[in-house]
Amino acid sequence: AQSVTQLGSHVSVSEGALVLLRCNYSSSVPPYLFWYVQYPNQGLQLLLKYTSAATLVKGINGFEAEFKKSETSFHLTKPSAHMSDAAEYFCAVSVFNQAGTALIFGKGTTLSVSS
Amino acid sequence: DSGVTQTPKHLITATGQRVTLRCSPRSGDLSVYWYQQSLDQGLQFLIQYYNGEERAKGNILERFSAQQFPDLHSELNLSSLELGDSALYFCASSVDGTTRNYGYTFGSGTRLTVV
Repeated sequence: AQSVTQLGSHVSVSEGALVLLRCNYSSSVPPYLFWYVQYPNQGLQLLLKYTSAATLVKGINGFEAEFKKSETSFHLTKPSAHMSDAAEYFCAVSVFNQAGTALIFGKGTTLSVSS
Repeated sequence: DSGVTQTPKHLITATGQRVTLRCSPRSGDLSVYWYQQSLDQGLQFLIQYYNGEERAKGNILERFSAQQFPDLHSELNLSSLELGDSALYFCASSVDGTTRNYGYTFGSGTRLTVV
């Protein structure tokens, strides 16, 4: 069964530092992978998605993620953190069955950015 | 504004009661997904509807039910409520019945508090 595991429930960085949020996936078929961000009291917003095209995916707000099949990873990075990046980040994998599809989410990683 | 509308935003009710959460998908989207977000369980997929028909089921309790109407809005009915049902309930929509290319668009959620 497809699943994702986010390593680290909380990551703290200084403003201007590299952001690295880790996600590993488990899938018996080529996965479709997503990163979402959730700001306080808001819904989830799509940051970027991997759909088997380029392995390096660029998203909104300067974020990018690299699909590495050999490592079953899809880590999210941003070269320089801003205070406004403080939020919860979710990695997700698309699950397909005969009836339909759904996104299965990881537990989430809370990113804190200090000045 | 994501285009997915959820009402009400907040709901406080007593144990044993029944509530209905409403979701209007983004214009043009045929598929609706319901998720429950709680601190201990994270984001749990409940159920998917596509063009009025149930497509996929996740971890949805028997006390919960949903439907999608001809105008494509959806309702999630929660009955015999327990304290543990307190959570954020999100609705998401997608153009078709898959997440393959588009992911989802999420609403801002309904916060349910059972007292």
